[in-house]
Amino acid sequence: SQTIHQWPATLVQPVGSPLSLECTVEGTSNPNLYWYRQAAGRGLQLLFYSVGIGQISSEVPQNLSASRPQDRQFILSSKKLLLSDSGFYLCAWSVKIPGTYEQYFGPGTRLTVT
Amino acid sequence: AQTVTQSQPEMSVQEAETVTLSCTYDTSESDYYLFWYKQPPSRQMILVIRQEAYKQQNATENRFSVNFQKAAKSFSLKISDSQLGDAAMYFCAYRSFGGTYKYIFGTGTRLKVLA
Repeated sequence: SQTIHQWPATLVQPVGSPLSLECTVEGTSNPNLYWYRQAAGRGLQLLFYSVGIGQISSEVPQNLSASRPQDRQFILSSKKLLLSDSGFYLCAWSVKIPGTYEQYFGPGTRLTVT
Repeated sequence: AQTVTQSQPEMSVQEAETVTLSCTYDTSESDYYLFWYKQPPSRQMILVIRQEAYKQQNATENRFSVNFQKAAKSFSLKISDSQLGDAAMYFCAYRSFGGTYKYIFGTGTRLKVLA
């Protein structure tokens, strides 16, 4: 069965510090991968998605970046965090098989920028 | 661009009663998928139910069912026999049939279940 991991689960970082959040998927190959941010009491904002290694699409201009160095690994980064980067970050995956289109989510990372 | 709107920020229901959560969307596409996701206090997103736009029959999963009105671009979720464990944020989501694999989420409805 497929599983998705995210770490860390919780992170407190000062303004101006770098960020690296990691997401890995097990039990599937060549998945679509996604990064979302959920601000307090808000919906999900799609940040990045990837359909393959090295292929990243950015949805929102910001100081965040994403990379996909391996098929099942998706990394969210920042060189200098802003207070507005605080939130709950969710990684998700979906398969490319026609007729199967559900998106499956990881447990999330709660980021607090102080 | 597609949009998804959930106009009810919060809803309450008595245990064992029925509640309906509303969702409307805007799209020019004819083929697409719609979903309802549940986010309990643990914040783990859980797929509740899905609907293919080309299917006229409304999807049903146990106590959860949808009322899909394609012409009206409406996709409501009905929860029957509400249980305390149903208390959560519920998100409506849209995905195009093909193309970019992007999912668009509404802002969510917080459901409270009263004992």
